[in-house]
Amino acid sequence: GQQLNQSPQSMFIQEGEDVSMNCTSSSIFNTWLWYKQDPGEGPVLLIALYKAGELTSNGRLTAQFGITRKDSFLNISASIPSDVGIYFCAGPDYGGSQGNLIFGKGTKLSVKP
Amino acid sequence: GAGVSQTPSNKVTEKGKYVELRCDPISGHTALYWYRQSLGQGPEFLIYFQGTGAADDSGLPNDRFFAVRPEGSVSTLKIQRTERGDSAVYLCASSLRGSSNYGYTFGSGTRLTVV
Repeated sequence: GQQLNQSPQSMFIQEGEDVSMNCTSSSIFNTWLWYKQDPGEGPVLLIALYKAGELTSNGRLTAQFGITRKDSFLNISASIPSDVGIYFCAGPDYGGSQGNLIFGKGTKLSVKP
Repeated sequence: GAGVSQTPSNKVTEKGKYVELRCDPISGHTALYWYRQSLGQGPEFLIYFQGTGAADDSGLPNDRFFAVRPEGSVSTLKIQRTERGDSAVYLCASSLRGSSNYGYTFGSGTRLTVV
């Protein structure tokens, strides 16, 4: 079935640094979603991408939908302590219903003040 | 309410017991989703409701798992004869219709521990 591979698995950075993480798949996705999950909470949608090549920003976050439709990137500029959390990429399982999302295993971000 | 509410927030049960997990979606959201998140993993799809009916239950791992949404609002996920491998955080989400833009709102989850 479809799988999403995220890298790196974890990152330790200094406050103020830029962060880059990515998500790849062996199969094509027509939608890419990026979520952030804080401890003890559910995931929160950060950015949604619907078109190959699309570049979308949400404050200090920028995400891109890869041209091949098999990858996506999330960048965070000038990181701050509240950026700490786990970042997941996700996309719809086209073998399933509209309600069925596939998630990667996440990138855990730690920020040193 | 303002968000998706899940109760209880934590549940510890003995192996072999029956448990029910409740999800109260955002008012007016007709679509409701259940996901399961094991430690160190991303959420995994279980079941999706559109209104009262299960539009897709392909993610339920076996027949010990069942979910209902009798009035198209609150949903209950039921697990019979619990096993230690069922320990996970069970997440519920809701959206307007079966949202084609995937604008789900997740609840904070129920952490189930089977001992």
